[in-house]
Amino acid sequence: DQQVKQNSPSLSVQEGRISILNCDYTNSMFDYFLWYKKYPAEGPTFLISISSIKDKNEDGRFTVFLNKSAKHLSLHIVPSQPGDSAVYFCAAHASPDSGGSNYKLTFGKGTLLTVNP
Amino acid sequence: KAGVTQTPRYLIKTRGQQVTLSCSPISGHRSVSWYQQTPGQGLQFLFEYFSETQRNKGNFPGRFSGRQFSNSRSEMNVSTLELGDSALYLCASRPTSKAYEQYFGPGTRLTVT
Repeated sequence: DQQVKQNSPSLSVQEGRISILNCDYTNSMFDYFLWYKKYPAEGPTFLISISSIKDKNEDGRFTVFLNKSAKHLSLHIVPSQPGDSAVYFCAAHASPDSGGSNYKLTFGKGTLLTVNP
Repeated sequence: KAGVTQTPRYLIKTRGQQVTLSCSPISGHRSVSWYQQTPGQGLQFLFEYFSETQRNKGNFPGRFSGRQFSNSRSEMNVSTLELGDSALYLCASRPTSKAYEQYFGPGTRLTVT
């Protein structure tokens, strides 16, 4: 049972355009969501996060949108740059305060973003 | 601050053997989690340790075990290796003040032949 789903294994975008990566979840106990970026031969690096009490969080070129009713979040990268080419993982967290029982992160399978010059 | 370090970076083992992987968290981080990354399954949670105690465990067989030392360093052990254990094993640490932001090491690439 996959609780966090990234249905697009890959995405190709032209430099300067917008990249939109999508993520769906099924567990209503998730109260915090994160995006990680991963280059080959490196561990994932934290990119941006959003609490379930918000619907948008922005950090420079990166914006995450959360639609709780649809259990959907998306990461927008504007403008996209070739250095953004990497695998992007969506992750979710359920804190004990939200009825969760642990501090683990549940990850999606990732989306490979390729930004073409 | 130095990041999360993992040793060794690469490892080749034979089916049936056992392996021990090591992780040193960021200084001051007391929580260490382990994840397995495979192409088909993405990142899957193995277990989390905090102050030398295992707090959470994922859906992995008992062949996968771990421990944490008083200096927060952690080790992960896999016994009776199977071909399907070939994966990238990632360690992550997080500060006590933030339950959700985890900082990952570069991983140990384990190949079982």
